Amino acid sequence: EVQLVESGGGLVQPGGSLRLSCAVSGFNFQTYWMSWVRQAPGKGLEWVANIDFHGDEMSYVDSVKGRFTISRDNAKNSLFLQMNNLRAEDTAFYYCARETPGGACYYDYWGQGTLVTVSS
Amino acid sequence: IVMTQSPATLSVSPGERATLSCRASQSIGTRLAWYQQIPGQVPRLLIFDASIRATGIAARFSGSGSGTEFTLTINSLQSEDFAVYYCQNYGAFGQGTRVEVK
Repeated sequence: EVQLVESGGGLVQPGGSLRLSCAVSGFNFQTYWMSWVRQAPGKGLEWVANIDFHGDEMSYVDSVKGRFTISRDNAKNSLFLQMNNLRAEDTAFYYCARETPGGACYYDYWGQGTLVTVSS
Repeated sequence: IVMTQSPATLSVSPGERATLSCRASQSIGTRLAWYQQIPGQVPRLLIFDASIRATGIAARFSGSGSGTEFTLTINSLQSEDFAVYYCQNYGAFGQGTRVEVK
């Protein structure tokens, strides 16, 4: 069974940092691109970042470039999102998601999400 | 690319058909997915490549379109189908269409 379990969310002050983790199981992690997608409470979905099989190629939505870093550890079946200089508008549920093969960036499995709240 | 969905809210009676629209700001071929999000749950992939149902998705869900205009059709709406539906092309999601009970 495919499972993705996020952790690391919480309450942080503006300008602070958090590191999100996503532990995966049930599939060959190193053969899939992975993404982080976020959803502000009561709002729509927003793609945040993705990473290729080996962690060599990463992409980010403009609003997080220079502040967030996506990474992975294939030996530990884990995906990460380092978030620095957090802003109130980063408040959201953060989901890790598996991309379907083929490069079209469809997401066939999602974690349950971890809530990040940026507030003083 | 900007994805625009319409309507924002669709009121449908159980057993009826729902038709949701998604427009891309430029041609995307058939690189489009549809997701369903039931309140309190994570999104679920319904359709990819505009018209291919994902594994385990009921046949009452169908997708069509290419280029800039796409449609998700839900035939004979069931109680579990009342949810928010998103279209997506690569890093761009539409704003969602809420399907509610009429």
